[in-house]
Amino acid sequence: ETGVTQTPRHLVMGMTNKKSLKCEQHLGHNAMYWYKQSAKKPLELMFVYSLEERVENNSVPSRFSPECPNSSHLFLHLHTLQPEDSALYLCASSQIQGGEQYFGPGTRLTVT
Amino acid sequence: KQEVTQIPAALSVPEGENLVLNCSFTDSAIYNLQWFRQDPGKGLTSLLLIQSSQREQTSGRLNASLDKSSGRSTLYIAASQPGDSATYLCAVRASGTYKYIFGTGTRLKVLA
Repeated sequence: ETGVTQTPRHLVMGMTNKKSLKCEQHLGHNAMYWYKQSAKKPLELMFVYSLEERVENNSVPSRFSPECPNSSHLFLHLHTLQPEDSALYLCASSQIQGGEQYFGPGTRLTVT
Repeated sequence: KQEVTQIPAALSVPEGENLVLNCSFTDSAIYNLQWFRQDPGKGLTSLLLIQSSQREQTSGRLNASLDKSSGRSTLYIAASQPGDSATYLCAVRASGTYKYIFGTGTRLKVLA
C-alpha cells in the first residue's frame, strides 16, 4: 500500500449505530487530519493530530470521536449520528513543518 | 477570520486553451497555500504547494503564483487537455496554526 488509505470506502448506518472510519498513511508523516466534505460547501477541517497529539478540534460535535494511536493510523469513531452528517469524510497527512497535505480517497457516509 | 474565495465557480473551455484559476484570501498572515484537484467522488490530489516566502511554483503545465500582500493566488494551466477536467481547490494554512481553510473550488471542463 502506498500513500493514504481509508476504509471503508462506503458506509451506511442508522442513527443509533456505532461505527468507525480508519485511515492509514504510508508516507512517514507526523501529522494527520480529518475533513468533512458536504455538497455545495467547502471542505471543513474537523481534527488535526501532530505527533499523535490532538492540536485542533474545530468545534465538532461529540458524536464524532477521533483517535490517533500512532503516527500512521487515525480513526474516527461515530455514534448516534444525524442525517445531516451524511458526507464524504477525507483523511490527510503531512509533515507538520512544511505541510504539503496528501489525501486518502475518502469514506462516503450515509446516515439513514 | 480567514475566508477563501475561488472565482469562477465553473469554467468550460476548448482543448488547447491556456487558462487561469483564481484564489483570494482575506488574511495575508499565511504559512502556505496549496492547490489540489478533485475528480468526482474521489479524494484530493496535491498539485502545488507554495510556502509564504515563495512567489511561485511550477510543475509541468501548471504554474501557481502567490501575492500575499494582495491576498491572491493564481493557478495557470497551459495547453489544457480533456484530462484536466476536474474541480480545482485552493487551501490556505494560517500562520501559527494547523488550520487549513479551503475555497469552494472551480469546476473545470475541457472540451475535446
